[in-house]
Amino acid sequence: DTVLTQSPALAVSPGERVTISCRASESVSTLMHWYQQKPGQQPKLLIYKASNLASGVPARFSGSGSGTDFTFTIDPVEADDIATYYCHQSWNSPTFGAGTKLELK
Amino acid sequence: EVQLVESGGGLVQPKGSLKLSCAASGFDFNSYGMSWVRQAPGKGLDLVADISSKSYNYATYYADSVKDRFTISRDDSQSMVYLQMDNLKTEDTALYYCTVRGTMGPFDYWGQGVMVTVSS
Repeated sequence: DTVLTQSPALAVSPGERVTISCRASESVSTLMHWYQQKPGQQPKLLIYKASNLASGVPARFSGSGSGTDFTFTIDPVEADDIATYYCHQSWNSPTFGAGTKLELK
Repeated sequence: EVQLVESGGGLVQPKGSLKLSCAASGFDFNSYGMSWVRQAPGKGLDLVADISSKSYNYATYYADSVKDRFTISRDDSQSMVYLQMDNLKTEDTALYYCTVRGTMGPFDYWGQGVMVTVSS
């Protein structure tokens, strides 16, 4: 299975720019997607196929990358963005990263 | 508005069985793949099972950890998807989410989840 390695927990302040990385153990082309999960809620799709913004998602969120290296960016961060973010690849047997917990400084 | 409502969870003993159901509405159910993704308490996300649409001959996928124990099915006439879980193990304890799988794989929509607890 393709292993996805995400950056560890990050602490941010509102108004800052934050980037979360996701590295795949093998190429997944651009079939990388990003989800936001707030405590007690179901995950929500934010970015699909590496760089496409899901419907209704604010333009503060963006994604980039291809092959094995991907990044997810929030600029600027708002207090409501505090959540865990997961990457997910669908190039082969689907797998998720372990999640990056975004916390307030 | 897309709605996915899961039901059928609960407490079951090891080696027992449970059948989860997901009622879908608000989109063209017949055209989409459907998946079950689970999340153990305090842990990350894992795809459990997936079923494609009729256009793809209802092809199924199972995680190795549940192969030969779980069965995913769908009823397009009722916009329902099911997960039959047999020979349950304590490690199957998790919140199970019903999801809509979009083209090329993203999980476009998620239900609220249903809890399955396997314990003696």
